[in-house]
Amino acid sequence: DTEVTQTPKHLVMGMTNKKSLKCEQHMGHRAMYWYKQKAKKPPELMFVYSYEKLSINESVPSRFSPECPNSSLLNLHLHALQPEDSALYLCASSQVTGLAGELFFGEGSRLTVL
Amino acid sequence: SQKIEQNSEALNIQEGKTATLTCNYTNYSPAYLQWYRQDPGRGPVFLLLIRENEKEKRKERLKVTFDTTLKQSLFHITASQPADSATYLCALRYSSASKIIFGSGTRLSIRP
Repeated sequence: DTEVTQTPKHLVMGMTNKKSLKCEQHMGHRAMYWYKQKAKKPPELMFVYSYEKLSINESVPSRFSPECPNSSLLNLHLHALQPEDSALYLCASSQVTGLAGELFFGEGSRLTVL
Repeated sequence: SQKIEQNSEALNIQEGKTATLTCNYTNYSPAYLQWYRQDPGRGPVFLLLIRENEKEKRKERLKVTFDTTLKQSLFHITASQPADSATYLCALRYSSASKIIFGSGTRLSIRP
């Protein structure tokens, strides 16, 4: 079983809705990540948080807004999404960035935008 | 920009044979090269990591090699089993940044 928990597992939303994806880990990892994965494609990095501070934003549109309230939690706030944003959103964590640090992924949140 | 290619989109082999997956990259070598397994609809699971100064790592039936001259990593599964069927992703991490970049993946099918 994964030690990174993501909720909800499935989310359907309209283009005018506001929703949030949540991620939690209790492994003491201080780096947390959001990846987006489309069908039959590799995960694409969106954001990296290191010590609760945003360290990487891969030019993600502002309709995606990450938040790291504390070292265990990572949120992704969604607003005014487009149908092409439908994908599997994966949260991951690792030991402090700069080391080899393997990624521990959650099971993902499957998002459908109508 | 850095490119990572996993040569085979799909690989089908007979149970019991050795599966060999390839990961090639361009430009400069990463400090670390990782391999992950991903089952449909689930998050990737870490399998093995190899550093740029290492040539080979093993874990049970898995073996990874890293050739910085060829800019290539090979991932081997010996005595393959149908349960090994999954998509395998290579991922590169550079010591100067926290990014991990994934290759396109190889979908491995082991037929009984």
